[in-house]
Amino acid sequence: GDSVTQMEGPVTLSEEAFLTINCTYTATGYPSLFWYVQYPGEGLQLLLKATKADDKGSNKGFEATYRKETTSFHLEKGSVQVSDSAVYFCALRVGIQGAQKLVFGQGTRLTINP
Amino acid sequence: ETGVTQTPRHLVMGMTNKKSLKCEQHLGHNAMYWYKQSAKKPLELMFVYNFKEQTENNSVPSRFSPECPNSSHLFLHLHTLQPEDSALYLCASSLGSGGVYKETQYFGPGTRLLVL
Repeated sequence: GDSVTQMEGPVTLSEEAFLTINCTYTATGYPSLFWYVQYPGEGLQLLLKATKADDKGSNKGFEATYRKETTSFHLEKGSVQVSDSAVYFCALRVGIQGAQKLVFGQGTRLTINP
Repeated sequence: ETGVTQTPRHLVMGMTNKKSLKCEQHLGHNAMYWYKQSAKKPLELMFVYNFKEQTENNSVPSRFSPECPNSSHLFLHLHTLQPEDSALYLCASSLGSGGVYKETQYFGPGTRLLVL
């Protein structure tokens, strides 16, 4: 079945460090891929998305490229800030139209120290 | 800032209680979703409604009963829950008719449920 595997957390970095959170997926067909972020005490917010192979999603300095050949969608940021501390979820969407299912990875907790 | 609101934000209930969770979206969407977020587990999709019709029930126990009276409101009725049902329950909405490039889901802040 469809699934998403994320890098195990927690991840702790210093401010201004380079961030990579790995995400790989298994899916039939051509899923759309997402990164969601969950700040403490809040729900999930869409961070970025890519809907087809080789697309690059970007937002707030974060980037991820849809790699069909490696079935990956790794999240990167060149210089992290304390405010980036949150839980990050990789997800894929299955379905063609109408209401669609999101399949999530287990989440990666990121802590940035000043 | 969110177009999806959930009430209550926190709920403590005994195993014999009956309670309801409410979700409301102000985005003009037609699809609404319930997810369960437990510690150290991926988010689990529970139910999907599109244009008020249930299109997905992900093998959820009958002690959880969803209701979608209109496209803007979604309820989750709870009765005789178990302690292992303690979790964060998230509601989401999406356009429901926008095709593959437009179906982004927007989440509410969640209801933190504790079953004693």
